[in-house]
Amino acid sequence: EVQLVESGGHLVQPGGSLRLSCAASGFAFHEFAIYWVRQTPGQGLEWVSGVSWNSGSMEYADSVKGRFTISRDNAKNSLYLRMDNLRTEDSAFYYCAKPQLAYVWGNSPLDSWGLGTLVTVSS
Amino acid sequence: SYVLTQPRSVSVALGQTATITCGGENIGVRSLHWYQQKPGQAPILVIFRDNNRPSGIPERFSGSNSGNTGTLTISRAQAGDDGDYYCQVWQSGFGVFGAGTKLTVL
Repeated sequence: EVQLVESGGHLVQPGGSLRLSCAASGFAFHEFAIYWVRQTPGQGLEWVSGVSWNSGSMEYADSVKGRFTISRDNAKNSLYLRMDNLRTEDSAFYYCAKPQLAYVWGNSPLDSWGLGTLVTVSS
Repeated sequence: SYVLTQPRSVSVALGQTATITCGGENIGVRSLHWYQQKPGQAPILVIFRDNNRPSGIPERFSGSNSGNTGTLTISRAQAGDDGDYYCQVWQSGFGVFGAGTKLTVL
């Protein structure tokens, strides 16, 4: 069974930093791109960032570009999101999500999601 | 950047058919995916690549995609179909989500 478990979210002041983690199990992690999607409570889904299976490709939403850094460790079956210079508008649940197809960059539905970790940016 | 437009809310009577649209420029040439999300839960995939159902999703869920509009159709709506529905496409390596539609089964 595929499992994605996010961690690392908590209260941080504006301008602060945080690192989120996503522990993956139940599938061949090293074969799949993987993504971060966030959701402000009561609002819609926003795609944040993605990294290809071999870390050869990475993309970021314009809203986080230059402040967030995605990375992965295939030996540890883990995905990370380093978040710097946090803003109040970055407050959200952050989900990691797995695509349906291996070795496909974009263009694959997201068939497994974690339960999310909550980031709150406030003074 | 590519924009997907969904109605904010849709209501349907119990047992009737609900239709949720997703508008985008030439969306018909893209693969369209749909997710259902209930309060306090992660999204789940209900339709992928326009009109395909993952295992475990009832046949009552179907989809279509042509021209500038994609559609999610839920036949014989049940109380458990309540929730938020999001459409999604890819633009190169970037994911694009619609703003979501709240479905209420009356």
